[in-house]
Amino acid sequence: GAVVSQHPSRVICKSGTSVKIECRSLDFQATTMFWYRQFPKQSLMLMATSNEGSKATYEQGVEKDKFLINHASLTLSTLTVTSAHPEDSSFYICSARDARAPQETQYFGPGTRLLVL
Amino acid sequence: GDSVTQMEGPVTLSEEAFLTINCTYTATGYPSLFWYVQYPGEGLQLLLKATKADDKGSNKGFEATYRKETTSFHLEKGSVQVSDSAVYFCALHQGGSEKLVFGKGTKLTVNP
Repeated sequence: GAVVSQHPSRVICKSGTSVKIECRSLDFQATTMFWYRQFPKQSLMLMATSNEGSKATYEQGVEKDKFLINHASLTLSTLTVTSAHPEDSSFYICSARDARAPQETQYFGPGTRLLVL
Repeated sequence: GDSVTQMEGPVTLSEEAFLTINCTYTATGYPSLFWYVQYPGEGLQLLLKATKADDKGSNKGFEATYRKETTSFHLEKGSVQVSDSAVYFCALHQGGSEKLVFGKGTKLTVNP
């Protein structure tokens, strides 16, 4: 089956530093990838949609200069949290769409736990 | 806009109890409907789906029927196990959109 990986699975950083999270589709080409943030009490928020080779589309209220998304290849998207602050601490999940699969099909990564001290 | 409403959790059951998690949706047209499951510390996994009215999705003993007349897609399982403890998300997808619309999730805890 389709597998999506994320790296790192867990990261702790100091306030003011930047953190990069990778999302990879391991056995399929992902023309579209999605980044979600999961808040306490499990609520999922879509942050942005990225298409390979083009700029990401951010959801309303998400700061694009703070959450930099790059989708440079058909198997890799990165989310960089710039100048991280404690309020950015969260669980970040990516998903990927296989161009060969129905449009509604998304395969989810295992998530990255970010803790900013 | 489109939206999904799930019953508030958390839900706590004893092993072998019957499970229902309610999900209703608001959408134009005929969306596809999904249940995703998230085990502790992990990402989401597709549990089941239904793409048109009266379809029943099923997997691992879980079932949900797409009810257009009540705009519902309730998740049921006849006999839950401790290993079913997880967060369950109801979601919809509207044709022509790339996005999934999620409910807020319902945390299920099953005690032995």
